Amino acid sequence: SQQGEEDPQALSIQEGENATMNCSYKTSINNLQWYRQNSGRGLVHLILIRSNEREKHSGRLRVTLDTSKKSSSLLITASRAADTASYFCATDGATSGSRLTFGEGTQLTVNP
Amino acid sequence: NAGVTQTPKFQVLKTGQSMTLQCAQDMNHEYMSWYRQDPGMGLRLIHYSVGAGITDQGEVPNGYNVSRSTTEDFPLRLLSAAPSQTSVYFCASNPLAGGSPGSYEQYFGPGTRLTVT
Repeated sequence: SQQGEEDPQALSIQEGENATMNCSYKTSINNLQWYRQNSGRGLVHLILIRSNEREKHSGRLRVTLDTSKKSSSLLITASRAADTASYFCATDGATSGSRLTFGEGTQLTVNP
Repeated sequence: NAGVTQTPKFQVLKTGQSMTLQCAQDMNHEYMSWYRQDPGMGLRLIHYSVGAGITDQGEVPNGYNVSRSTTEDFPLRLLSAAPSQTSVYFCASNPLAGGSPGSYEQYFGPGTRLTVT
């Protein structure tokens, strides 16, 4: 079964607004990653956060991790039309060995 | 570096046919994996490999075989194609220089779109 579950499934905002996506997981993790997928393309890595970290930034991206709630959030600030894509979280569970499992994704649409 | 390459880009098979999806990487990565992505869904792990000669099953291995004879190549074989295997297939790799695969960025190929009729 999928380890990570994203919420919401779909999000539509206007350019310039912030977008927040959430990822929840079921078992303890070592690491959590976020990826972006443009329509019909492969996934592109955005950011990695380790289980002992609480927050990371990369440009307009901010990721938080709350291991007590088994959840993570991805914030995209000042969104642009080019941010329109699907966003996935991926986790490697502390008990899942060498597997990296993905959630079902959030489809973000940024309207110009 | 070409990164992760996959061939073919598109393939149509008839039920019962077999074929091999090719995946190669030129980054000397130890970890390679195959995922399938169905419409509106995330990626499901089929098989993975932590190094040449070592493979293991993921979440949905049935109907697929893999081998890893070299560090560079990780082909995925469909033994007897079924319509349920219609999907987009992604290959990915990462360095796995110690630690778990999630410790490293995954590099994805462009995908193979497979239709089984």
